[in-house]
Amino acid sequence: DGGITQSPKYLFRKEGQNVTLSCEQNLNHDAMYWYRQDPGQGLRLIYYSQIVNDFQKGDIAEGYSVSREKKESFPLTVTSAQKNPTAFYLCASHGTSSYNEQFFGPGTRLTVL
Amino acid sequence: AQSVAQPEDQVNVAEGNPLTVKCTYSVSGNPYLFWYVQYPNRGLQFLLKYITGDNLVKGSYGFEAEFNKSQTSFHLKKPSALVSDSALYFCAVRANSGYALNFGKGTSLLVTP
Repeated sequence: DGGITQSPKYLFRKEGQNVTLSCEQNLNHDAMYWYRQDPGQGLRLIYYSQIVNDFQKGDIAEGYSVSREKKESFPLTVTSAQKNPTAFYLCASHGTSSYNEQFFGPGTRLTVL
Repeated sequence: AQSVAQPEDQVNVAEGNPLTVKCTYSVSGNPYLFWYVQYPNRGLQFLLKYITGDNLVKGSYGFEAEFNKSQTSFHLKKPSALVSDSALYFCAVRANSGYALNFGKGTSLLVTP
């Protein structure tokens, strides 16, 4: 099946720890995105990458880092600098045409204990 | 900046009745508009998009949306609601950041039997 996978589904983090969320796609899409979802706030863009070895900050990048070493993979690290990391994190990808819609993964729910 | 607004936090409708979920947009240039649906603890599923052309766009699961340039609106509609349509609906517009999307805050649709 083609699609986007995210792991883990649930993640618990202690204060002061860094954690990495995985996102993999087999859609051969060039562009990938990370969004954060909080209740009543919609989705907000954290980082995006349009090509391997290149990525850009989104609207709320502080406290997060990413890498894009392979076309298929776009992991997100939530660092200890992120003051309020408890949220639902969604990864998405997008094909070449600007007219294409984004495809979303199933999400990772991160909870800070 | 490209933005959308969803003025209703929740919409309630009886099964079999028509439903409308409202969205207005604010953009510079031509708007690329999208509707997504989200079931609890899941990723977003694409419903439909407006890029150009006919103002009435037909999408998945019997949904459609009407693009109205003079009212800067892109309301989601369905002639006959199903209980299984109960979910969270997001309107989105393509942002200036690559092909990322700016989302509305979401509208919770509840269809009662």
